[in-house]
Amino acid sequence: SAVISQKPSRDICQRGTSLTIQCQVDSQVTMMFWYRQQPGQSLTLIATANQGSEATYESGFVIDKFPISRPNLTFSTLTVSNMSPEDSSIYLCSVGSYTEAFFGQGTRLTVV
Amino acid sequence: KQEVTQIPAALSVPEGENLVLNCSFTDSAIYNLQWFRQDPGKGLTSLLLIQSSQREQTSGRLNASLDKSSGRSTLYIAASQPGDSATYLCAVRPTGNQFYFGTGTSLTVIP
Repeated sequence: SAVISQKPSRDICQRGTSLTIQCQVDSQVTMMFWYRQQPGQSLTLIATANQGSEATYESGFVIDKFPISRPNLTFSTLTVSNMSPEDSSIYLCSVGSYTEAFFGQGTRLTVV
Repeated sequence: KQEVTQIPAALSVPEGENLVLNCSFTDSAIYNLQWFRQDPGKGLTSLLLIQSSQREQTSGRLNASLDKSSGRSTLYIAASQPGDSATYLCAVRPTGNQFYFGTGTSLTVIP
């Protein structure tokens, strides 16, 4: 299993600003995943982050809006840039490949 | 693209009742299926993982089944308790790394 710590757990931000979310795993993992859960919706994958390479973004998500860093095998950050109220969501990081998936507790973001 | 549907969207039952949550998916070419629980404002807690070659998995009062050919999975909760109140999500993994999630079933167990 893996224990994932995410920071911050919640934040309220002004539109036009940026927020960086941190994800720390208690073991080394090859791939880390970032998901978004909009209000009343299910989880949608934003991007897959491999250490030492550029993140791979899913359709509808772009690097300029959601830059991701993966400096080592236990840590990643997701930045939500130039925020608007539509970015209000829960953001979750996850690890796991062809086995069980594990999730952080999520970051609840409200943009006002 | 894989589509995952969960029925019902919401369910309210009295304590002690047995219940079944349903999950259907459109593409049977999956690697595994996982059931999660999400509490308000919290992340996801893994409940059960079923590999594509398996028919069911059990953990305590929970039993999950998988019928890959028909694109269906069920989560059976026996003797429900108020602490079971949460949103239950199923997620299927095709051969890649991405999970496709259903929209969840919000369960309320009434004491």
